[in-house]
Amino acid sequence: QVHLQESGPGLVNPSQTLSLTCTVSGDSISSGDFYWTWIRQPPGEGLEWIGYTRWTGNTYYNPSLRNRFTISLDTSKNQFSLKLPSVTAADTAVYSCARSYCRANTCYYFDYWGQGTLVTVSS
Amino acid sequence: EIVLTQSPDTLSLSPGERATLSCRASQSVSSIHSAWYQQKPGQPPRLLIYGASTRATGIPDRFTGSGSGTDFTLTISRLEPEDFGVYYCQQYGDSSWTFGQGTKVEIK
Repeated sequence: QVHLQESGPGLVNPSQTLSLTCTVSGDSISSGDFYWTWIRQPPGEGLEWIGYTRWTGNTYYNPSLRNRFTISLDTSKNQFSLKLPSVTAADTAVYSCARSYCRANTCYYFDYWGQGTLVTVSS
Repeated sequence: EIVLTQSPDTLSLSPGERATLSCRASQSVSSIHSAWYQQKPGQPPRLLIYGASTRATGIPDRFTGSGSGTDFTLTISRLEPEDFGVYYCQQYGDSSWTFGQGTKVEIK
């Protein structure tokens, strides 16, 4: 069974950097068939896809988020990470990592999700 | 960017009733890249339907997905108490995912 778990600070000061890590068990992030993804959900709002990384290290981000995020992976720890510098209150959200099912350079759906972690931006 | 618009925003129904949820895309999308999720408070979304009409593992047959092009539908034939929550449609295209804003199915 695949399991994803987010970790990181629950409170970040405005203008500081948000850093989260997703630890994957039950699957290797080096396997070629999946994209490892971050998604966020502001309180009371809907889901917003942030971006993904693949085992090759390639990344792709939601164009509407203006290249604010950086996603990286650490295959030795079977983890992938998210960084967002210069946060504001508008970045307060539940941040979730997920595995997206992909084949032949196209993707279909998210089959496994982490529980999500609430990150609050406040001084 | 493809925009997904779900309707209605809220559906108030009683257990045993039929629920019909709609998802409309701003341009035609591939059915194989569309999906539906259920989310309950404090939980991550749960995959219900992929490829527009294929139920995910363990999903009861009262959930049915249909549609193509710009219009997709999720039907719950007879609502069970555990079916109340928020439902999201999703599509993948041009290397990006988008979600609808969600439809809340609540107990009447």
